Parts: sequence; C-alpha cells; structure tokens
Amino acid sequence: DVKVTQSSRYLVKRTGEKVFLECVQDMDHENMFWYRQDPGLGLRLIYFSYDVKMKEKGDIPEGYSVSREKKERFSLILESASTNQTSMYLCASSLTGTGYLETQYFGPGTRLLVL
Amino acid sequence: GEDVEQSLFLSVREGDSSVINCTYTDSSSTYLYWYKQEPGAGLQLLTYIFSNMDMKQDQRLTVLLNKKDKHLSLRIADTQTGDSAIYFCAESRGGGYQKVTFGTGTKLQVIP
Repeated sequence: DVKVTQSSRYLVKRTGEKVFLECVQDMDHENMFWYRQDPGLGLRLIYFSYDVKMKEKGDIPEGYSVSREKKERFSLILESASTNQTSMYLCASSLTGTGYLETQYFGPGTRLLVL
Repeated sequence: GEDVEQSLFLSVREGDSSVINCTYTDSSSTYLYWYKQEPGAGLQLLTYIFSNMDMKQDQRLTVLLNKKDKHLSLRIADTQTGDSAIYFCAESRGGGYQKVTFGTGTKLQVIP
C-alpha cells in the first residue's frame, strides 16, 4: 500500500513565523503535490514537483515555496506566515507512466492555524 | 483555466440512493475521478472513468458521464452511514500532464 505521511496533523504558529510542512511518500513516486483545502473552495494546487529539485507553480503559489532534495520528500515552506494561510494542507504523490491515469495518493493533512 | 463545479451539500436517508453531480469545463479532459474524504483524513480515490466511456459500475457505485454537456455524476445505491464524507470530482488530461483539477467537494450527510 502507498503511504504518504505528513509531519504534523495540527500546527499552531504566529504571524510572521517561518513554517515548514514536510511530506514523505514510500512508493518511489516521481510526482508530488501540495494543496490547500478550504471550505467551499475545494482543493487548490499550490506547487507540484515531477522530479528531484524540480518544481512547478500551481494555481496559488504566492506566499509559499517548496523544496524537493530527495525523491521521497517534498517540503512546503511558508516564509512569513499570515492569518490568511490558516487552512488544511494536503500532500499527494503519483506515479508517472501508468497509462496516463494520474491517481493521486494523499496524506492525512496538516491543519495549520496562524494566530 | 480548468474549472470543476459541484454543489456543496447533499443530505439523504439511509437506504436511499445518493446522486452527486459535477460539471467541468476542460474539453481536453481524458480522465474523470471521484475521490472520497472521510472526516479527519486525506482523499482516497473511489473510482474513475475514461472520457470515451458513458458509464461505469462498481458494486454500489455508478458513474455516468455526459461528455457533450461536460457533466459527471456519482450514484451510490443503498447509501449507508459510513458513506458520510466529502466527495470530490476531479479531472485530468492524461498523457503525462500530471495536474489534476479538483472540484469544490460535496458533503454527503446520511441520516439514519
């Protein structure tokens, strides 16, 4: 079974703090994704990566950066947290070359509260 | 850009059928998916359909696709309390273009 783990289930930070959210997958997937989930807005893609050290902006990259130094690990960084970044953050991974079917496997999510 | 729309909420009685609807705008969509999110958990793929299919059945789940109207639906027969969750419609183009666009999610409440 594919396992995607996220470093924290709940996190409380103060405005202006630097925040690191870590995601690890154990199935050698090439692609990894960071989404945020907000009520009524669904999932919105922040960044994704299709290889080590590669990254692509998603739909809402402003205020975020990412790092992928190893294939299994994808980090989301909030350089200076703001209250409008309070949200549920979901990490996902997928395998390239499975007949074009892009099944994504999700972690349990990190609920971030910025005070 | 791509857009995927769903109604936000659906309430059904246990034992009834549930129908969750979705519309999408990308005519290049190759795959359409339904994901389920149980409380406190991440999303899990429930089922999917290729764009050249009209229907797919998998036990209590029936997926209907109207490509002309860009409308997708998920029918759950004999809905159980364990089906209470948020259901996300999603679409992708396939062909190695890995981005998947998710809908807003429909919260299904099953009343005992």
